[in-house]
Amino acid sequence: QVHLVESGGGVVQPGRSLRLSCAASGFTFYEYAMHWVRQAPGKGLEWVAVMSFDGSIEEYADSVRGRFTISRDNSKNTLYLQMNSLRPEDTAVYFCARDPSLHGPLDSWGQGTLATVSS
Amino acid sequence: DIQMTQSPSSLFASVGDRVTITCRASQSFSSYLNWYQQRPGKAPKLLIYSASSLQSGVPSRFSGSGSGTDFSLTISSLQPEDFATYYCQQSYSVPHTFGQGTKVEMK
Repeated sequence: QVHLVESGGGVVQPGRSLRLSCAASGFTFYEYAMHWVRQAPGKGLEWVAVMSFDGSIEEYADSVRGRFTISRDNSKNTLYLQMNSLRPEDTAVYFCARDPSLHGPLDSWGQGTLATVSS
Repeated sequence: DIQMTQSPSSLFASVGDRVTITCRASQSFSSYLNWYQQRPGKAPKLLIYSASSLQSGVPSRFSGSGSGTDFSLTISSLQPEDFATYYCQQSYSVPHTFGQGTKVEMK
């Protein structure tokens, strides 16, 4: 059974950093592209970033490019999101999700982790 | 960037109703169009991919159609568990943008 578990959320001051993790199990992690999607409180879904199965391709939303970095460790079946220079508008639940082909649908999602940026 | 516009933003319906949600893209693309359901406090769930393919395990009352710039999600007979928010998403080009969501509420 596919299982994605995010962690690393919390409360952080503006300008500081946070690193999110997504632990994967129940499938062959290195065969899938992986995404981060976020949802601000009471708002809709916003796509954040994607990394290809082998880590050779990474893409970002304009709103986070240059501040956030997606990475993965296929030996640990784990996806990461390093978030630097955080802003209040980055406050959201962050979901990781699996994609069979880099341009495919997000067919499995984690439960999300809340990152709150506030002074 | 491709903008995705859903309509309506919300709707009221009763159990047994036929419900259709539309999604319009700012640029034409092939069938890289996906639909998700999200219940309050839960992660989104994939319903339809490639515009019209039903995800495994999803009830057959859900269907998708469309191509180019106009797509739709139809629920043929609304069930109590279907009251939720629905999102379309294009995975044709980065950023993989979502529509703003359609909340289906009980009449």
